[in-house]
Parts: sequence; C-alpha cells; structure tokens
Amino acid sequence: DSGVTQTPKHLITATGQRVTLRCSPRSGDLSVYWYQQSLDQGLQFLIQYYNGEERAKGNILERFSAQQFPDLHSELNLSSLELGDSALYFCASSVGVSGYNEQFFGPGTRLTVL
Amino acid sequence: GQNIDQPTEMTATEGAIVQINCTYQTSGFNGLFWYQQHAGEAPTFLSYNVLDGLEEKGRFSSFLSRSKGYSYLLLKELQMKDSASYLCAVRDNYGQNFVFGPGTRLSVLP
Repeated sequence: DSGVTQTPKHLITATGQRVTLRCSPRSGDLSVYWYQQSLDQGLQFLIQYYNGEERAKGNILERFSAQQFPDLHSELNLSSLELGDSALYFCASSVGVSGYNEQFFGPGTRLTVL
Repeated sequence: GQNIDQPTEMTATEGAIVQINCTYQTSGFNGLFWYQQHAGEAPTFLSYNVLDGLEEKGRFSSFLSRSKGYSYLLLKELQMKDSASYLCAVRDNYGQNFVFGPGTRLSVLP
C-alpha cells in the first residue's frame, strides 16, 4: 500500500460524458501527478500540481483538466469522452516539486468509455 | 522529438543477472527514472539517475551516460517475483514533462 488513494476504482460511462477522478496523496506529500496508461500508448504523463499550483504539463488534452485543492487532494476532470480515452488513470504523489523525488503511485482508476 | 527505446521482452533464469537497456533522445534532461510494474498493478519507483555513473540499491543498479543518451538497469540474483515490466522514463524540458519508454517485459524462468 503506497498511501495514495484513488476513487473510483472502476468507471464505465458513455461517449460524450464527463467524469471526475479523485486522488488523495500520501500524508505530507505536496506534489500530485496524473498519468494515463493505455495498451497502445503506454504510460503518459498528464500534469503535475504542487501545493495547489500547476507545475508541469505533459500530453494532456484540452478536454481534460485538473486541480489540487487546499487539502492537497486532486481531481482530474475528463469531458466530451471518446472511446480512445478508455485507459487506466494513475495518480502519484511525492514530497517535493523536483523530479528527483520518489513518486508513489495509487492503485489507479480504470475508465471504460462505451 | 522525444523518443525512448527499450527492448520489448527479455527472458532470464532465476538466480542470474539481467541488464535492461534504455536509450533516449529528449529535449533537455533532468533525470532518468526506472519503474517496475507488475501486471495489473501500479508502477513502483526503482531508481533515479541525474549524473553519469552507477547507482546501486540492493539487487538493483542503474547506470547513466548522458553523453550517449543511454541507461541500463541491472538486476542481480533474479527471483521469480522480478517478472514484471520495467519502465524507463526521462524528465525533460528542464524539469517539466516526463517521457516514458514502452517498457520491457521481463520473464524470470525457474
């Protein structure tokens, strides 16, 4: 158990819908990272927040957005869902903002878009 | 462009040593990471290299050569539980984006 929690564990929805994925970091960690993992694209970095502020952006689509709240939990919002958005979404947390801090991954949310 | 290459699959025998290579071409460099991922589970951090040389951590070691855009992960005294995918990742653009390789699926045979 990494100490990072993600809800829900599974999510099934239809194309065109909007969903919100939630992540609670380990106690004391200020950085939250979001990743998408699909069979054809592998693991892709989406976005990083540190203490409420956006710090780094990867291959995140404009239909996707995220935020980190004052209690440090984070939410990833996915809208206008397409079949290709079906994937495993991981959240990770680390103590600092720098890349060298060890990241601890949550168990993931499996999103299925029908 | 951004590109990270790793062998797709490797097989080794329990108790042996295996080396998983990773080559990268990224815009900027701010560290190279290795992760282990068992099927159906989340990745777990193994190592981080930002300077050239070897970092040792128990049975696992990771090497980096920035001039060659090359790293390897060395696993010693292989155990069955080491059967997993190993992901190489580079943080580029002066500490911004993480770029992941496709992963190497390692099978450890008895």
